[in-house]
Order: sequence, then structure tokens, then C-alpha cells
Amino acid sequence: EAGVAQSPRYKIIEKRQSVAFWCNPISGHATLYWYQQILGQGPKLLIQFQNNGVVDDSQLPKDRFSAERLKGVDSTLKIQPAKLEDSAVYLCASSQGAQNSPLHFGNGTRLTVT
Amino acid sequence: GDSVTQMEGPVTLSEEAFLTINCTYTATGYPSLFWYVQYPGEGLQLLLKATKADDKGSNKGFEATYRKETTSFHLEKGSVQVSDSAVYFCALSGYAGNTPLVFGKGTRLSVIA
Repeated sequence: EAGVAQSPRYKIIEKRQSVAFWCNPISGHATLYWYQQILGQGPKLLIQFQNNGVVDDSQLPKDRFSAERLKGVDSTLKIQPAKLEDSAVYLCASSQGAQNSPLHFGNGTRLTVT
Repeated sequence: GDSVTQMEGPVTLSEEAFLTINCTYTATGYPSLFWYVQYPGEGLQLLLKATKADDKGSNKGFEATYRKETTSFHLEKGSVQVSDSAVYFCALSGYAGNTPLVFGKGTRLSVIA
């Protein structure tokens, strides 16, 4: 099966600019996650979708980050305006949604904010 | 809240050495426990998992046993290879279904020939 697709692979922007990341999960996976992985740390959940509804966005900095999953398939994550501390790898993952079903991760988008 | 603590790296071993990466967790109820691996330039991959106490997860020669009494899930391999060089993440998923993973900080392993 095709894996989780993410684009772009790399992005460099200046602070205060905006940026968007795209994710296409594995076909049929109901649950989609966005994680932020800062260098030297483990991934931290930003938002979880179940189909096209938000399950958990408690750790999403809503003043600058937004995410949507229209039609319950692919998803976009946006940052506007970006700060230096947003430099990280943004990981998308999907799962079937059943208890203990494994997460499948994309290769991530590495964002550098200068 | 739920959390995972794993040993700091980097860990450097010679080929065929024994590997242990310690992982302990804090969680309410009975979480599921996972080890994920991230090879250079690749995404996170599930290495193994255990969903209840005393379960042993295993894959590719790696093993980890879910120890409820010590709240631990240490990763072990009897004989590492150069190809095992990667970053290893311990993670847990809460007791309720479909809860997101909480990750440790990761441990970088380098195996030298």
C-alpha cells in the first residue's frame, strides 16, 4: 500500500511569513495526526482528526497555527505568522482508528525559519 | 498527564554488542507501549508494541517486555548491526481507544564495524 505522503520535504522561510504543509494519509485511514518534532526532542502532537472532525487540538498554538481536513481525506497545516521557534520537522501520521491500530508516519516536512 | 522518559543518547556500540535502551512511563490506567525507529532520512516506523502487562513485543531481533510493576518497557537486542544505527523512540498510547501517541525524546544509536 502507498504510505503517508507529505509535501514539501523542506521549506525555508523568514519569520513573520506564512507557510503551509500538505498531507495525504493512507487510503481508508480515518484518523490523521500532525506532530511537531523539534531537533533533539520526541514528536509532540499538534492536532488529531477523526474523519473531518477535530478530536484533540489542545496543544495547537491557535493564534498562529491552523489545520483542516476537508472531506476527511488529505489535510493541510498552516502557520501564519511563523516564529523562529517553529523551526522543526512536521510529521503527519494516519491510522485506521481502532484501538491500538498502529500509526503510519510520513517522512515529514523540515521547516527552517530564519 | 501521560509521559515517557528514555535514556539519553547518543549510544555508540561495536557490531555484535548487546543493546539496552531504557524506557519508563507515567500513565493512568493501562496504556499500550511502543518502540518506533527513525532511520536516517526516513520517517518513523513502528518497531514493536505491547498492549498489556507482561506482553513481550519483538521484531527484527529487538525485544521489549511490558513491566507494569516497574512501569518500564526497555528495548533490547542481543547483537546489533551497523544497519541498526538510527534514533529509537519509546511511546505510549492511553487506555482509551484511539488516543494519540506520547513520545519520549529519542535515543540515537550508532553502531560501528
